[in-house]
Amino acid sequence: GAGVSQSPSNKVTEKGKDVELRCDPISGHTALYWYRQSLGQGLEFLIYFQGNSAPDKSGLPSDRFSAERTGGSVSTLTIQRTQQEDSAVYLCASSLGSDRQQYRNEQFFGPGTRLTVL
Amino acid sequence: KNQVEQSPQSLIILEGKNCTLQCNYTVSPFSNLRWYKQDTGRGPVSLTIMTFSENTKSNGRYTATLDADTKQSSLHITASQLSDSASYICVSPSGGYNKLIFGAGTRLAVHP
Repeated sequence: GAGVSQSPSNKVTEKGKDVELRCDPISGHTALYWYRQSLGQGLEFLIYFQGNSAPDKSGLPSDRFSAERTGGSVSTLTIQRTQQEDSAVYLCASSLGSDRQQYRNEQFFGPGTRLTVL
Repeated sequence: KNQVEQSPQSLIILEGKNCTLQCNYTVSPFSNLRWYKQDTGRGPVSLTIMTFSENTKSNGRYTATLDADTKQSSLHITASQLSDSASYICVSPSGGYNKLIFGAGTRLAVHP
């Protein structure tokens, strides 16, 4: 079946512009995550959605970052007034659920969106 | 502070050789330890997941070990292939079953 898809695959923008990154999770997965991977760094948690619960936004680096998940499926990560330090690969992942059953919380990752802020 | 540290940062081996990658973790409470493979330009793909009660798990030529006492894990790759060239990332959840803490990864290059 189809995996997690993200668009665009690459985005180049000018400093100060807003950008929107899209994630389509695997059908039926209730949990969705956004991560950021800067050059030479490990993945950094940004935000987590689980069903209809309030999202865990504890990883968002500033108020310029926000994310929505409409209808429990597609998610959009928005970065306002982009800065050069926002340049990174933004990865989305989804999982069946969020509980003690290990197989349900295995995360499947999309290919990422490479954002370059000039 | 919850963190995952990996070594070496990078590694070059010849095709057909074995190698072992290391991971030290300080994550509390501990629930499981995961190894992912990330090819260039792709998202990470899960190789193994181990809970505290498991001390070894294999996936083909990949074998992961876990020592919950020393909080160390290793990933052993047997008879390496060119396609094994990738970053290998050690991961453990923190603050819940889904908030993952990622190591910086080991970049492996397998040369013919």
